[in-house]
Amino acid sequence: EPEVTQTPSHQVTQMGQEVILRCVPISNHLYFYWYRQILGQKVEFLVSFYNNEISEKSEIFDDQFSVERPDGSNFTLKIRSTKLEDSAMYFCASSGDRTGAKNIQYFGAGTRLSVL
Amino acid sequence: GENVEQHPSTLSVQEGDSAVIKCTYSDSASNYFPWYKQELGKRPQLIIDIRSNVGEKKDQRIAVTLNKTAKHFSLHITETQPEDSAVYFCAANLDTGNQFYFGTGTSLTVIP
Repeated sequence: EPEVTQTPSHQVTQMGQEVILRCVPISNHLYFYWYRQILGQKVEFLVSFYNNEISEKSEIFDDQFSVERPDGSNFTLKIRSTKLEDSAMYFCASSGDRTGAKNIQYFGAGTRLSVL
Repeated sequence: GENVEQHPSTLSVQEGDSAVIKCTYSDSASNYFPWYKQELGKRPQLIIDIRSNVGEKKDQRIAVTLNKTAKHFSLHITETQPEDSAVYFCAANLDTGNQFYFGTGTSLTVIP
């Protein structure tokens, strides 16, 4: 069964540093998402991406965040200058092939970001 | 925006008993409600979903019910097994939007 893959599984960085979290969505999917989950809290939506542009973003997704689909397979989340409160599990998800099923989102295993 | 509440936060049941997890949502325009199971250290996996034009859906030992009037939906697991132990998340989604609004999760422990 196709899976969403995320790398790395754990990223440790110093406050103020830039990080890039990488995701390979399911190959025929058209919609891509990033979510985050701070320890002990609910999963929160960050951003969705379709047709090479952001289609929806939450108030968490400020100017420190950006997303990119640099080639036909990767989908990245960049945090420009990390803060302590960015420490969380970041999940990538994808959905929707050309036959539909946009709602059904498949999640990656997550990247745990630790900002020191 | 949408707000999803989930209860209980933890649930322990004896093997073979049933488990019920409940979620409420606030936006009556939400029309798609998935449930995800997340085992320790693994990705959230979709286990069942329901759309707003359906009141109940069943898949073997798992069922989901939806009450649109009351704006709540529930996950029912019958004949629980130790491998059902995991964190379960409910979510709500509008067809017109992309994002899922998640509940806070329920940690289910099935005691052998």
